[in-house]
Amino acid sequence: GENVEQHPSTLSVQEGDSAVIKCTYSDSASNYFPWYKQELGKGPQLIIDIRSNVGEKKDQRIAVTLNKTAKHFSLHITETQPEDSAVYFCAASSGGYQKVTFGIGTKLQVIP
Amino acid sequence: DADVTQTPRNRITKTGKRIMLECSQTKGHDRMYWYRQDPGLGLRLIYYSFDVKDINKGEISDGYSVSRQAQAKFSLSLESAIPNQTALYFCATSDSVGTDTQYFGPGTRLTVL
Repeated sequence: GENVEQHPSTLSVQEGDSAVIKCTYSDSASNYFPWYKQELGKGPQLIIDIRSNVGEKKDQRIAVTLNKTAKHFSLHITETQPEDSAVYFCAASSGGYQKVTFGIGTKLQVIP
Repeated sequence: DADVTQTPRNRITKTGKRIMLECSQTKGHDRMYWYRQDPGLGLRLIYYSFDVKDINKGEISDGYSVSRQAQAKFSLSLESAIPNQTALYFCATSDSVGTDTQYFGPGTRLTVL
């Protein structure tokens, strides 16, 4: 089955700096790569996703890049703010049945 | 997401007890999932259901069972709870038509003593 590795497990940045979280996947059939943000006491919520037919997607301060050849994808957050502090999960899935495999999560702390 | 609700939000139980966690959704989605979250292990899939008559085991189904009572309701049962089932449990939904986004409930924190 699919295996998704995510790093770092924890990340501290100063407010205004950029944060990068990286993931690798094992199944070359995976074609959908979502990123979820989990705030304290809440369930994960989708913040951005990318499909295998594109290499990059951007939404305001967040962007995701995908390298299919190397089987890795990354989340980039620019101009970080304290409200970006949360746990971020990458994930990968293939096929039409949407069985998603998650990474272990990255706890991001933005220091004011 | 208020459209996916989980009850109870917190539960403390003893080893050997049978307990049920419930999930309801008003999103009209046909697909529902149960995940378990442990520190350092991320989210792991316990069971998933693509419609009322379709139930599938995930990667860590041992010790758990599920029931899909209706399209909107999906329950997770621990037949005989053990301490290593102490975790945060999430229900999620998705739609077979449209985007692949999964919508998560607020979670149930379960402690087995």
